[in-house]
Amino acid sequence: DAKTTQPPSMDCAEGRAANLPCNHSTISGNEYVYWYRQIHSQGPQYIIHGLKNNETNEMASLIITEDRKSSTLILPHATLRDTAVYYCIVSSRIGGNNRKLIWGLGTSLAVNP
Amino acid sequence: DSGVTQTPKHLITATGQRVTLRCSPRSGDLSVYWYQQSLDQGLQFLIQYYNGEERAKGNILERFSAQQFPDLHSELNLSSLELGDSALYFCASSVLGDSYEQYFGPGTRLTVT
Repeated sequence: DAKTTQPPSMDCAEGRAANLPCNHSTISGNEYVYWYRQIHSQGPQYIIHGLKNNETNEMASLIITEDRKSSTLILPHATLRDTAVYYCIVSSRIGGNNRKLIWGLGTSLAVNP
Repeated sequence: DSGVTQTPKHLITATGQRVTLRCSPRSGDLSVYWYQQSLDQGLQFLIQYYNGEERAKGNILERFSAQQFPDLHSELNLSSLELGDSALYFCASSVLGDSYEQYFGPGTRLTVT
């Protein structure tokens, strides 16, 4: 299973873009990169996922390098409510269509006023 | 609100006891996942059910068991409880057996004394 490496913590000023990096150098060709966030002991919230191409939705953008060994989650205009732990996860396939998500410790993002 | 409900919110019990945690998935979701999150730790995947059948197993102890009922709600049974079982237990659901986009409940905080 591919593992991920994220910085333990980051700071960002309110209104600025938050760029959260993730290394996944052992990712295999059919593994997706997913991002979730968890706000203070609440249930994790799905943000976005991607395989090869960059992805964007109403919450964030995901930039995956061409070699797929790293990715960056971008929150374009961070607000105080974006303060959370952000998890970068690579799926592992357990036969057929089944995947389980391997969770690390994530990056604790603090958005400051 | 993710649409996933979990009961109870809090549970305090003594070592050696047995408890049952309950989860109702989002309407239409067939797959249920259980996770354990100890203090300052990442989420540990325990087990997945899909349409009533066990689909994948993670780091679930033999003292723990789960099932998914015909109405798709799920229960996680924890027995012979130890102090180290104190944790947040999250349930998540997804439409299919593909787990990349999961919706998490608010969690059950279990304290074993």
